[in-house]
Amino acid sequence: NAGVTQTPKFQVLKTGQSMTLQCAQDMNHNSMYWYRQDPGMGLRLIYYSASEGTTDKGEVPNGYNVSRLNKREFSLRLESAAPSQTSVYFCASSETGVWGYTFGSGTRLTVV
Amino acid sequence: EDQVTQSPEALRLQEGESSSLNCSYTVSGLRGLFWYRQDPGKGPEFLFTLYSAGEEKEKERLKATLTKKESFLHITAPKPEDSATYLCAAATNSNSGYALNFGKGTSLLVTP
Repeated sequence: NAGVTQTPKFQVLKTGQSMTLQCAQDMNHNSMYWYRQDPGMGLRLIYYSASEGTTDKGEVPNGYNVSRLNKREFSLRLESAAPSQTSVYFCASSETGVWGYTFGSGTRLTVV
Repeated sequence: EDQVTQSPEALRLQEGESSSLNCSYTVSGLRGLFWYRQDPGKGPEFLFTLYSAGEEKEKERLKATLTKKESFLHITAPKPEDSATYLCAAATNSNSGYALNFGKGTSLLVTP
């Protein structure tokens, strides 16, 4: 039972570089989410996808883009990384109408 | 603006010493209150969902309760393996796409 799989687990970027964080779920969930977690700030929503083909901004979307590639996959892209984007990124998924998320194990990103 | 506040930030207990974690919320229409457990280096793991004041749910040494203004996570006779960060989150009428507002968490350490 894989659940929600995130890749990579760790990444170091230089300021200005781009990268894509990958997320895939095998639970046939309709909704998927990207959160970032920073010390003292809690989990903050970046983007979400309520269903395949739709995406919406969350609380902190600036500097990020997302793609809901299909029902299973939801990727997060940093076009020009900044030190302020150093964080742990979590992907999550849920059934439509149900808030009991299943989280991935996270990607720890450092931008230098 | 919806707010979820957890206290204390950190709690140290001796094994067997029962206590409670608090989650107070100020939101525009609560649709559900969630508790998660997060171990270091891992994603949050779902524990409970509470939907209405007076509701209680139990799992092993944990019991979650809900009032109109706050939720408590009671830990009875904790063991060292209960050490983790506990997160609460609210689903509200302000949220769309089933997004959650998370508190900053309570870091619990249970010593033998």
